[in-house]
This record gives sequence, structure tokens and C-alpha cells, in this order.
Amino acid sequence: KQEVTQIPAALSVPEGENLVLNCSFTDSAIYNLQWFRQDPGKGLTSLLLIQSSQREQTSGRLNASLDKSSGRSTLYIAASQPGDSATYLCAVYMNRDDKIIFGKGTRLHILP
Amino acid sequence: GAVVSQHPSWVICKSGTSVKIECRSLDFQATTMFWYRQFPKQSLMLMATSNEGSKATYEQGVEKDKFLINHASLTLSTLTVTSAHPEDSSFYICSARDRAHYTEAFFGQGTRLTVV
Repeated sequence: KQEVTQIPAALSVPEGENLVLNCSFTDSAIYNLQWFRQDPGKGLTSLLLIQSSQREQTSGRLNASLDKSSGRSTLYIAASQPGDSATYLCAVYMNRDDKIIFGKGTRLHILP
Repeated sequence: GAVVSQHPSWVICKSGTSVKIECRSLDFQATTMFWYRQFPKQSLMLMATSNEGSKATYEQGVEKDKFLINHASLTLSTLTVTSAHPEDSSFYICSARDRAHYTEAFFGQGTRLTVV
């Protein structure tokens, strides 16, 4: 059974810092890995999608990497801003049954 | 990307009544749809997977007679919470996939259900 773990569960950092969010998964037979952002009481905003054949994806200040063999992904946020405060969710797409399994998220708070 | 519309965005109902939530893929045909539930400060938990025209596959611990899922067409899936109780209050999110044309799944905006 696939398990997705995100570390840390919560993080508070001063504005301007670079930071790394971690995601690990137990079953490497994944199809895709996707990072989302969720604001309180809201739905999901897709940030980056990495296909299993890819190593990383970049969008603006965000960079996500994938090491499928070791079951790890990281989301790097450069020059953090207060507007980045949200919960960040990691989700893996399973090959065999199309399920998408989510981690519990990292609650990020950027201090002005 | 493609758009998934979920309706209503929020609903309040009395205990014992049933509530229907709709999930529509607006500009693509969803061969597979998923329903998730999210309790406060928790992650999204998959409730069930449905393919058009066939019965939904429920995750362990999800009551199929309580959470009725219908995926009658390639653009519409519905989740009906029957005989709702306060413990069913949660955030419900649907997702739709067309694996033949899109690499990723697309998510609805979510429905906040409050049972009083």
C-alpha cells in the first residue's frame, strides 16, 4: 500500500528565505508526482507536475525534483514571500490503478 | 489545463437528509473520476473511484450505501451523502482524469458540507 509522507508537518520562516519541503513515498511504481497548494478553506491549486521519466520541473520561484528510485521529491521555494503561506500537498499517481494518493501536507507560514 | 466544476461550493443540511454534490468536466471527457474527503487540518482521503458506466470502487472503510456515487456520463459524476449526520461534515473534492489525453488529473473547487 502506497504511503506518502511529508516533512516537516509545519514550518515558519522569515520572509526572503529559501526553503525546502520534503515528500517521500513507499512504492516507487508511480506514474506522476504533483505538488499542490491549498489555502485555508479552499480547493487545490496545482503548482508543478513531474512525470516519472522526469527529474525536475520549474515554475518561477518554485522547483520540484523527483528521485523515483529512492522514493523522494522536494519542493524548493526561493525568496519566500508572505503570500506563499499555505498548506503544500504532495500527491503521487499510481500506475496500476490510477489512484492519486496525497501526503498530509506541510503548513507553511512566512513571517513578514 | 482542463476545467472541473463542482457544485455546490457549500451546503448546510439538517441531520437525516440527503445531499447531492455534482462534479462536471467542462471541456474534456473524464474516463475516471475520484471523490475525496478532507477533515479540518487533515489531508485528502480517497473515498472512491468511478469509471463511466460502471459501479464505483470504494476505499476500505467507506460505506457505499451511505455515499452513493453515480458516473452516468463522461462529463458528470455525482456524490450523494444519504441520511447525513454531523460527523459527515467535511470538505469533499472531486477529481477527473482522461489519461488518454492529459497527463494530470484536474480537481474541482470542493464542497463544504455542514450537517446540523
